[in-house]
Amino acid sequence: AQSVSQHNHHVILSEAASLELGCNYSYGGTVNLFWYVQYPGQHLQLLLKYFSGDPLVKGIKGFEAEFIKSKFSFNLRKPSVQWSDTAEYFCAVNAGGNEKLTFGTGTRLTIIP
Amino acid sequence: DTGVSQDPRHKITKRGQNVTFRCDPISEHNRLYWYRQTLGQGPEFLTYFQNEAQLEKSRLLSDRFSAERPKGSFSTLEIQRTEQGDSAMYLCASSPRNTGELFFGEGSRLTVL
Repeated sequence: AQSVSQHNHHVILSEAASLELGCNYSYGGTVNLFWYVQYPGQHLQLLLKYFSGDPLVKGIKGFEAEFIKSKFSFNLRKPSVQWSDTAEYFCAVNAGGNEKLTFGTGTRLTIIP
Repeated sequence: DTGVSQDPRHKITKRGQNVTFRCDPISEHNRLYWYRQTLGQGPEFLTYFQNEAQLEKSRLLSDRFSAERPKGSFSTLEIQRTEQGDSAMYLCASSPRNTGELFFGEGSRLTVL
């Protein structure tokens, strides 16, 4: 069965700091990888996705993620965070054509102005 | 707003009562998913429909839970004889294809007293 680990439960950064949130998954076959974001009081929405091709994918609001197959990782990065990036971030995997999306436990990101 | 809508947004009930949640997906999406999210956890898959057919159910979905999508449009999730452990956010999502890219509603929060 597929699983997703997010090791950072709560990250606190100052504005303009660089961000990297870790995500590791366990599944030996083909995967689709996602980062979803939930801003305070809002619904979950897609930040970025990886299906195939270039392992460095760019999403909305300046976020990017890199798929490293050998490390089963899909870390999220942003070079300079803003106060508006305060949110909860979820990594998710969809494996082997399965309809089910498996989420990590999430990382709460707090940006201090 | 043409996004996924869920009703009610918040339901408070006493243990042992039945509750029903409704989800209206994005109209052209044939796939509809129910997830459950508890505090500090990521969303957990409950069940999935393609059109009116319920194609997968999680083991999390006990006999007290039933979901329907009678005409392939809106869906209902009913919980019978609620227990305190059922307290959670119930999320509905829809998708036009099997890629794991889901469009979420704002959720229905259930509190069982």
